[in-house]
Amino acid sequence: EVKLVESGGGLVNPGGSLTLSCAASGFCFSCYDMNWVRQAPGQGLEWVSTIATAPNGPTYMYHADSVKGRFTISRDNAKNSLYLQMDSLRVEDTAVYYCARGGREADLWGQGTLVTVSS
Amino acid sequence: QSVLTQPPSVSAAPGQSVTISCSGSSSNIGNLHVSWYQHLPGTAPKLLIYDNTKRPSGIPDRFSASKSATSATLGITGLQTGDEGDYYCGSWDSTLTAWVFGGGTKLTVL
Repeated sequence: EVKLVESGGGLVNPGGSLTLSCAASGFCFSCYDMNWVRQAPGQGLEWVSTIATAPNGPTYMYHADSVKGRFTISRDNAKNSLYLQMDSLRVEDTAVYYCARGGREADLWGQGTLVTVSS
Repeated sequence: QSVLTQPPSVSAAPGQSVTISCSGSSSNIGNLHVSWYQHLPGTAPKLLIYDNTKRPSGIPDRFSASKSATSATLGITGLQTGDEGDYYCGSWDSTLTAWVFGGGTKLTVL
C-alpha cells in the first residue's frame, strides 16, 4: 500500500525542540520531492518546507520564512523517511503537521501529527 | 494574508454546481502550474487537480478546473453532501521560492 505515516508530535514548551518523522512505503521514496505542510487550529494549509533531490546531484531544501533558521527538513532515502527538526518552537507553531509527496503538486498526504507548543 | 486569494465560502444545494476562484500573480499562477486540494473534516488533504486541469486517477469528472492568466477556477457539478469541506488552490511561487496556498474556501452543501 502506498502511504505516508507521520510521528513525533506532542506537547512542548515554547523555546523547545521536536523532531517529526514521516515513514514512506509502497513507492520509490528517493524518486520524489517531499514536503511538510501544516494547519494551525482554525486556519488554512501553510507550506513549511520542501526537500528536492536530483538524481546524482545535490539536495535542495526550501523553508517558509516563518520557520527559516528554526526548522530543518531532511531525508534518509535508505530508510524511506522524511524528517523535520524543529527548534526554538513558538506558540504559533502549534498545528497539525502533514507529510506530503511531490514537487509541483502534492499527490499523497499522511494523516498528520499534532504539535502543541504551550507552557 | 495568503498569496493566493480564494473566497472564504461558497454554498449550493445537492445536485447543483459551484465554482471556486483562485487569484494570484505572474510569480505563481501566471507562469506556473496550479493544483487543487480537498480537505474534508478529519481526513488528510486530497489532490483533486494538478497541472492546472488534470485529474488524478480516481477523481470523478464532477471535478474540473481551468486557468486563465493569473487566475484559476475549480468547478464541482452534481454536488453531494459528502463534498462538504475545505478546498485549496496551490502553486509554486518563483519570487518567494516557496509553495503557496490560497486561504481555503469552505463548501457547504445545503
